[in-house]
Amino acid sequence: SQTIHQWPATLVQPVGSPLSLECTVEGTSNPNLYWYRQAAGRGLQLLFYSVGIGQISSEVPQNLSASRPQDRQFILSSKKLLLSDSGFYLCAWRVRGEQYFGPGTRLTVT
Amino acid sequence: GDSVTQMEGPVTLSEEAFLTINCTYTATGYPSLFWYVQYPGEGLQLLLKATKADDKGSNKGFEATYRKETTSFHLEKGSVQVSDSAVYFCALGLYNFNKFYFGSGTKLNVKP
Repeated sequence: SQTIHQWPATLVQPVGSPLSLECTVEGTSNPNLYWYRQAAGRGLQLLFYSVGIGQISSEVPQNLSASRPQDRQFILSSKKLLLSDSGFYLCAWRVRGEQYFGPGTRLTVT
Repeated sequence: GDSVTQMEGPVTLSEEAFLTINCTYTATGYPSLFWYVQYPGEGLQLLLKATKADDKGSNKGFEATYRKETTSFHLEKGSVQVSDSAVYFCALGLYNFNKFYFGSGTKLNVKP
């Protein structure tokens, strides 16, 4: 069966510090992968998606970036975090027209 | 463009009440429609889906019918339980596209 992992589960970082969130998928190959952000009490904002290694599409210009160094690995990064980057970050993958989500990372920027 | 609109919450119901959460969509092509549920502190879980007009998705007592004529996919449950308290998201996906579009979410509170 397919499984999606995200880590860390929670993270508290000061403003201006770097960020690296990792997402890995098991049990499938060449998945479409997605990063979403959910601000407190809000809906989902699509940040990036990837259809293959090294292929990244950005949906919202901001100080975040994404990379896909391996087929089943998707990384979300920032060089300098802002207060507005706080939120719940969700990784997802698509199979047969359905999307499945990881457990999420709760990021608090202080 | 493609989008999903769902009713604003929160929705507060007593246990065993009937639930309806409205969802309408705008899409080019032939979307699949989904309802996801998010329990506090967790990621989203796929609740049900429908892939073509007049399809009915169902799971755990929840139902939604894909209505092309009204571009709607309303979520219903005949008798809610306290354990149904969560945020519900309506979404559409286009198979040949790489994007899914989500509504803003509707928080459901069920009181005992």
